[in-house]
Amino acid sequence: AQKVTQAQTEISVVEKEDVTLDCVYETRDTTYYLFWYKQPPSGELVFLIRRNSFDEQNEISGRYSWNFQKSTSSFNFTITASQVVDSAVYFCALKGTGNQFYFGTGTSLTVIP
Amino acid sequence: EPEVTQTPSHQVTQMGQEVILRCVPISNHLYFYWYRQILGQKVEFLVSFYNNEISEKSEIFDDQFSVERPDGSNFTLKIRSTKLEDSAMYFCASKQNTLRLNYGYTFGSGTRLTVV
Repeated sequence: AQKVTQAQTEISVVEKEDVTLDCVYETRDTTYYLFWYKQPPSGELVFLIRRNSFDEQNEISGRYSWNFQKSTSSFNFTITASQVVDSAVYFCALKGTGNQFYFGTGTSLTVIP
Repeated sequence: EPEVTQTPSHQVTQMGQEVILRCVPISNHLYFYWYRQILGQKVEFLVSFYNNEISEKSEIFDDQFSVERPDGSNFTLKIRSTKLEDSAMYFCASKQNTLRLNYGYTFGSGTRLTVV
């Protein structure tokens, strides 16, 4: 079965705090891709990152960083020094060898000024 | 950067009416998808489309739904007789034709459908 679990439904942090969004996935595919998308209040899905199953290197992009650990089937997302503009719903998604994306239920992040 | 364009951004329709949601994928993409997101819930797969036919569909995609690519550029989702529970954000996505099968997906900005 393909499944993505985002256990954190809502998180609130004060501006400039660091925050980590958790993502745990299940798949039987040996080749798969993991994604993070941001959904601001306007509703669109904004692509943040794609990571394939053979690349466990952590990635940093500005204030964003991702920690991929196959041993624990996790792909966590950290925002450093959060800003009000980071307030959004963040979705983790999995894609195996089939046609479908499997999205988690999303984590709603509120950054308080 | 190339975009997937969806129109309209918001559509209101009466229950029982037919509605067509339109998408213009990126021009060199050959794989097309529709997803939906009921308000406050996760994004769900509806259907994938390649070479002018449906390649995969979910159980949500019943006989009330259809897709087509009428003119080689637009990719449409039709709901024949809308129900209140069809109210959702509908996302179109397209993918490059590449041997890297899981590469190059782009999502549109979505159409919010409200059925009243």
